[in-house]
Amino acid sequence: GESVGLHLPTLSVQEGDNSIINCAYSNSASDYFIWYKQESGKGPQFIIDIRSNMDKRQGQRVTVLLNKTVKHLSLQIAATQPGDSAVYFCADGGGYNNNDMRFGAGTRLTVKP
Amino acid sequence: NAGVTQTPKFRILKIGQSMTLQCTQDMNHNYMYWYRQDPGMGLKLIYYSVGAGITDKGEVPNGYNVSRSTTEDFPLRLELAAPSQTSVYFCASSYQYRDSNQPQHFGDGTRLSIL
Repeated sequence: GESVGLHLPTLSVQEGDNSIINCAYSNSASDYFIWYKQESGKGPQFIIDIRSNMDKRQGQRVTVLLNKTVKHLSLQIAATQPGDSAVYFCADGGGYNNNDMRFGAGTRLTVKP
Repeated sequence: NAGVTQTPKFRILKIGQSMTLQCTQDMNHNYMYWYRQDPGMGLKLIYYSVGAGITDKGEVPNGYNVSRSTTEDFPLRLELAAPSQTSVYFCASSYQYRDSNQPQHFGDGTRLSIL
C-alpha cells in the first residue's frame, strides 16, 4: 500500500543552526501534506501544511518544500531553539475528498545548547 | 477553551476486557478522529466522523467501534481487548479537513496497556 517515510529517525543540531527534516511519500495522487510537532507526552501539534500546487510555503521560522517529481518534502526550521526539540511527523493527506491521513514514523530532533 | 479532552490518561486492561475511551471537544468541530500510535511509529487512523451520526473506517478499524451521537463527543470502544491494542490513542478534531486555517487539534492521548 501507500506509505509515508522519513529519511532519518534522529537529528541533532546546535542551537542557532538551521534544521532540515526530510520525508518521502509514495502516493502520486496525494495533493496535501502536513508537518506536525509532537512533544513528549503530548498530542501532535500542527506546524505547517502545503498543497501540491505549491513548491514552497513559509511560516514563522519554518519552511516546507515540496518536490512532486521525486515525491519528497522537507521541513526547514531556522535558528533552531531548545524548544524545538521534539518528534516531527510528516503526514500525507491523500488526494481530493480523502479523509485518511497517513503519518510517517517521525524524526526526533534534539537541539544542543 | 479546553480544546480536545481525552479520558482516561492511562489504563491497564486484561485480555478480553472491554472499555470505552472518551473524547470530547468544545470547539464545535464537525470532524473528529481517532488515531493510535505504537512506539516509535507515526499515527494510524482508526475511525473518523464528519458529523453527528456519521462515522467511517480509517486505516486500522478492526477491533474497535465508534459512535457519534453529538457534535462534542466521539467515544472509541474496545470490545475484546487484545495485546496488539496496546498503544497510545489520540483523538483529534477539526472544523474542516485539509484546511490549514482550521487544522486538526489533538488531545494529549490515552496510554493503554493490555496484559
